Amino acid sequence: GNSVTQMEGPVTLSEEAFLTINCTYTATGYPSLFWYVQYPGEGLQLLLKATKADDKGSNKGFEATYRKETTSFHLEKGSVQVSDSAVYFCALFTNAGGTSYGKLTFGQGTILTVHP
Amino acid sequence: NAGVTQTPKFRVLKTGQSMTLLCAQDMNHEYMYWYRQDPGMGLRLIHYSVGEGTTAKGEVPDGYNVSRLKKQNFLLGLESAAPSQTSVYFCASSGTGRGNTQYFGPGTRLTVL
Repeated sequence: GNSVTQMEGPVTLSEEAFLTINCTYTATGYPSLFWYVQYPGEGLQLLLKATKADDKGSNKGFEATYRKETTSFHLEKGSVQVSDSAVYFCALFTNAGGTSYGKLTFGQGTILTVHP
Repeated sequence: NAGVTQTPKFRVLKTGQSMTLLCAQDMNHEYMYWYRQDPGMGLRLIHYSVGEGTTAKGEVPDGYNVSRLKKQNFLLGLESAAPSQTSVYFCASSGTGRGNTQYFGPGTRLTVL
């Protein structure tokens, strides 16, 4: 079956530090890959996505590259801010048997706390 | 633009009580989903729907029922609540197409005593 493994947290950084959150996956077929962010007390928001190998998703200074050879989709940001404190979820999407619908499989989430 | 809304935001039930969670979306999306979020486990799919009048089981469907009588609404029912159903419930919707983005509601925090 499909699965997503994320770097265990929590991760605590100082403002302007470099961030990496590792994500690896196993999947049948050719998945699309996502990073979602959940701010305290809110639902999940899409942060970025990539739908094919070597695609780079980017948004708000965050980046992740779809690496098929290493089955990875690591999240990076060059300089984090206090406002980036949140829970980050890596997820993959696979279609259900030739149809256009399917399901997201989530990692367990990584809590990021950024201090001033 | 409201996006995906959920009611209620919070609820406390006693074991054996029933309740219905309502999800509504105004994006004309075909697909809708119910997830539960538990600490350290990410989100797990309970049930989903690929169109009005259709529903299907996800990873953890036991103890839940769903209905999609209107395209914009997706209801999640607990017939006889159990403490193991204490969780945060999220509804999501998406359009059609490969890897189409799912948009999430703000969640419902349910406690079963």
